[in-house]
Amino acid sequence: GESVGLHLPTLSVQEGDNSIINCAYSNSASDYFIWYKQESGKGPQFIIDIRSNMDKRQGQRVTVLLNKTVKHLSLQIAATQPGDSAVYFCAESLGFQKLVFGTGTRLLVSP
Amino acid sequence: GAVVSQHPSRVICKSGTSVKIECRSLDFQATTMFWYRQFPKKSLMLMATSNEGSKATYEQGVEKDKFLINHASLTLSTLTVTSAHPEDSSFYICSAATGEGGNEQFFGPGTRLTVL
Repeated sequence: GESVGLHLPTLSVQEGDNSIINCAYSNSASDYFIWYKQESGKGPQFIIDIRSNMDKRQGQRVTVLLNKTVKHLSLQIAATQPGDSAVYFCAESLGFQKLVFGTGTRLLVSP
Repeated sequence: GAVVSQHPSRVICKSGTSVKIECRSLDFQATTMFWYRQFPKKSLMLMATSNEGSKATYEQGVEKDKFLINHASLTLSTLTVTSAHPEDSSFYICSAATGEGGNEQFFGPGTRLTVL
């Protein structure tokens, strides 16, 4: 399930399930969006990106969906594995290369 | 390819001292480097953008005299936290971009600063 409070929103799933992590971005003018994975004590790791002229992009086990009408971005992870456990951030690009990060969602995968 | 390193990975210092953090692009030339700050269980907040050979551009609310940024070469940027105080304790992360089309930034592993 998903919980929101004083801590990061958390999504708990079972190994093998599909995970969907959502993000609301702030600027309707943003033209580039990225999902990052961050493990504890490490820097963000690039997962997948999408430009505003697309509404869907697929990678290996991951899919990003973009809904510009409601300024919503989602990351779908297929067949989630324990190694996917981390905090996931969306980021939007305001102007050339400057990134604004979302608040993050913690994904917990149980074996 | 596209590896970014940071040094040190963690540092503990006394209040009032200055701390320098290095960010290096190991296998590419970075025309632009970015410095972020991240508090526990929070998101990354951009502090400043630096371009090689020019002054850094600081985000609103970030004191340029407290967080000195030097981008002396295409592979090295440094962040110096001057007269550090306990409230400066945080996770500092740099990223680097080639500037060659696209918007992708390559992130370093971060530096954990603890000010006593």
